Amino acid sequence: AQTVTQSQPEMSVQEAETVTLSCTYDTSESNYYLFWYKQPPSRQMILVIRQEAYKQQNATENRFSVNFQKAAKSFSLKISDSQLGDTAMYFCAFLFGNEKLTFGTGTRLTIIP
Amino acid sequence: NAGVTQTPKFRILKIGQSMTLQCTQDMNHNYMYWYRQDPGMGLKLIYYSVGAGITDKGEVPNGYNVSRSTTEDFPLRLELAAPSQTSVYFCASSYNSYEQYFGPGTRLTVT
Repeated sequence: AQTVTQSQPEMSVQEAETVTLSCTYDTSESNYYLFWYKQPPSRQMILVIRQEAYKQQNATENRFSVNFQKAAKSFSLKISDSQLGDTAMYFCAFLFGNEKLTFGTGTRLTIIP
Repeated sequence: NAGVTQTPKFRILKIGQSMTLQCTQDMNHNYMYWYRQDPGMGLKLIYYSVGAGITDKGEVPNGYNVSRSTTEDFPLRLELAAPSQTSVYFCASSYNSYEQYFGPGTRLTVT
């Protein structure tokens, strides 16, 4: 069974600074997908970024980028030029095949004005 | 497109009551999912469906039932509500299982 671990329950950063959220996972599979989801106070789950394990290049979406280290089973999210609207819970998630998404327990990120 | 819609947004049930959480998607997605999110936790899969007429258990199916008679609808049924089922319930859908679109959630309290 796959597991996803987010070791930072809470983080805070000043607006416009850069912050990195950590995620590690455990799997014996070689082809899988990793995701970061954002959950603002509205509770809506929003996909932030996706990484295919077979791709060596790290995924990037505007201010959001990942550092994918397959051998180390690490998948961190970097948010550059943080904005107040980035305040939310962030969940790392793992997907293999057509199976279920396995979520971490989340990191509560607060952007301080 | 409305995306994934869920009703109701909030509900309070008494122990032993039954209810159905509704989920509808208008994106013609084959895959649909029900998750629950307990306080301070990530989402856990209750049931999922890979197409109309096909459903399968997820990680925490006990106390729930589902059906998938159409591509658009995937209702979740609670037969005998228990306090342990107090949670926020999310429905999601996807075209290829790789990118899931979530509904706004239903907050259920069982007292």
